[in-house]
Amino acid sequence: EIVLTQSPGTLSLSPGERATLSCRASQSVSSRYLAWYQQKPGQAPRLLIYGASSRATGIPDRFSGSGSGTHFTLTISRLEPEDFAVYYCQQYGSSPMYTFGQGTKLEIK
Amino acid sequence: QVQLVESGGRVVQPGRSLRLSCAASGFTFSTYGMHWVRQAPGKGLEWVAVIPYDGDNKYYSDSVRGRFTISRDNVENTVFLQMNSLTAEDTAVYYCAKTLGGSYLSAFDVWGQGTMVTVSS
Repeated sequence: EIVLTQSPGTLSLSPGERATLSCRASQSVSSRYLAWYQQKPGQAPRLLIYGASSRATGIPDRFSGSGSGTHFTLTISRLEPEDFAVYYCQQYGSSPMYTFGQGTKLEIK
Repeated sequence: QVQLVESGGRVVQPGRSLRLSCAASGFTFSTYGMHWVRQAPGKGLEWVAVIPYDGDNKYYSDSVRGRFTISRDNVENTVFLQMNSLTAEDTAVYYCAKTLGGSYLSAFDVWGQGTMVTVSS
């Protein structure tokens, strides 16, 4: 089973700043099969990025994904107040197992 | 618009069974795989099960295999999760989610609002 480890656990930033979230895999993941989700309290997760770098429908271009192999990154170029949430990476390449990282909480500093 | 609505969650005693439903609308249900994902209180996301568009070759996480069964009705546009031999560790919000593409190798692009299952005596 592929284990995804996200860092940091909590990231404290201010609106307007740049956020960089990391996701490391215990073994290589095809970049085609790496996704990022955003979850706000009391809400379902929302797909942000799939295929490591493709934005899902309706996702603002301040969100971008990159990486390959065992290290992937989600970058939010300029934080808006609505971006403060928990972010999860997910791999779906070693189907039929789909694993999520433990999450990074992005909080307002 | 594309929508998933879960139902069936409630408080249930350990060892008992429960069936969750997820009603889909706004897309051609019979051409997409469907997943169940759960989230224990204050915890992260855990994938539970997947069923392809045609209902064959279902897969489960190790933690539920042999106890849970995923199924679908492509006429009623609904996916189900039959949960047997429930334990306290199954307490969670259960989400259904749609695959972005038609294959297993696809992210989850639409999620329901979730239904809460509490296993407690």
